[in-house]
Amino acid sequence: QKEVEQNSGPLSVPEGAIASLNCTYSDRGSQSFFWYRQYSGKSPELIMSIYSNGDKEDGRFTAQLNKASQYVSLLIRDSQPSDSATYLCAVHFYNFNKFYFGSGTKLNVKP
Amino acid sequence: GAVVSQHPSWVICKSGTSVKIECRSLDFQATTMFWYRQFPKKSLMLMATSNEGSKATYEQGVEKDKFLINHASLTLSTLTVTSAHPEDSSFYICSGPGGMGTDTQYFGPGTRLTVL
Repeated sequence: QKEVEQNSGPLSVPEGAIASLNCTYSDRGSQSFFWYRQYSGKSPELIMSIYSNGDKEDGRFTAQLNKASQYVSLLIRDSQPSDSATYLCAVHFYNFNKFYFGSGTKLNVKP
Repeated sequence: GAVVSQHPSWVICKSGTSVKIECRSLDFQATTMFWYRQFPKKSLMLMATSNEGSKATYEQGVEKDKFLINHASLTLSTLTVTSAHPEDSSFYICSGPGGMGTDTQYFGPGTRLTVL
């Protein structure tokens, strides 16, 4: 089993809709969680981090963490065409001090 | 957020030559930085953990003699691809810390290496 898994997509949503991106991870002890956005040909840029169970909101983005289910998600409200990118889920495994990334979900927001 | 720079942003070299990529943490001192490689339409693959003042920790399957990492100061880590071959052509990205007391990582802009 891979440490971090994501559906590769593509996920297509109309402009203004809510995009829901999901990620599951292997339990390797204590972890923290991150969502990054990557445009084609560019390096990933941080969207947000989440450390404890529940929801964390930042503007149009909400990260949700459920450690019991080993599941972290990202909701994007009022999706814009400029949100079209690949979204990477990352998990920091404290025991190993390593960051592992999912394969990424490609999001297409149609005008 | 924190800024991590990389140089060069792209490089084309002949097979058999060596290429050095620099990664600088501009805002915070970094005892640890990470190096990743990304092939087209694939995810980031961790290559190694760069440790200031000590040897890098390489992931399984990554040749330490081919990918030399040096972390000589708290703001600079370098990756040298030695005797490069076309299969080494890839997007190389480093990451550094987002601040004191946080494990958030920020990525450099990446270096696109093409080996002819």
